[in-house]
Amino acid sequence: GAGVSQSPSNKVTEKGKDVELRCDPISGHTALYWYRQSLGQGLEFLIYFQGNSAPDKSGLPSDRFSAERTGGSVSTLTIQRTQQEDSAVYLCASSLGRPLPGLAGELFFGEGSRLTVL
Amino acid sequence: KNQVEQSPQSLIILEGKNCTLQCNYTVSPFSNLRWYKQDTGRGPVSLTIMTFSENTKSNGRYTATLDADTKQSSLHITASQLSDSASYICVVILVSGGYNKLIFGAGTRLAVHP
Repeated sequence: GAGVSQSPSNKVTEKGKDVELRCDPISGHTALYWYRQSLGQGLEFLIYFQGNSAPDKSGLPSDRFSAERTGGSVSTLTIQRTQQEDSAVYLCASSLGRPLPGLAGELFFGEGSRLTVL
Repeated sequence: KNQVEQSPQSLIILEGKNCTLQCNYTVSPFSNLRWYKQDTGRGPVSLTIMTFSENTKSNGRYTATLDADTKQSSLHITASQLSDSASYICVVILVSGGYNKLIFGAGTRLAVHP
């Protein structure tokens, strides 16, 4: 697609429920990142995919969080047994896996999925 | 520890005025540095990239500087417009484990008032 697409754009759930957030990256981008942004805060790294593998998942805050990527494209972030502190905007970004010199770090972000846990 | 610190945390200026945002980092090994603009409710968008050898780079009314010796960068906005109201995020990129790892600052929230 033309840009990174995320769904749903807004999700309200009850504490203890599971949620799935979806990211459809830019076609041809092999690198995919998930970030979390709480209200008024900076971006918190969650996980990085290169292709279908996740060489860096060091940012996942607990074992309730998991993510997968299939076909080197769409990724799903799953939060099990949601807690109120999980409320945040979850941002997905994609980039070229091996960028040209000088282009490193140019991530293209989606609009985010706003999660509210009641 | 790899860190990126930005100042001020927030800033209010009048339309037409200039402003400068600061970024200090302790990231090694340094690859390059980007400034991102994040409008409210939107994802961040890259404004400019600075490599180790570059001191200054302009993108329209935005001018970024980099001092790799002191590990400082600034973003100068000239003749501000209402549409400049956003968060500006300094991001330092390092190569770790064979891929580009991004270290994000907390951002400076800029409000431009008429």
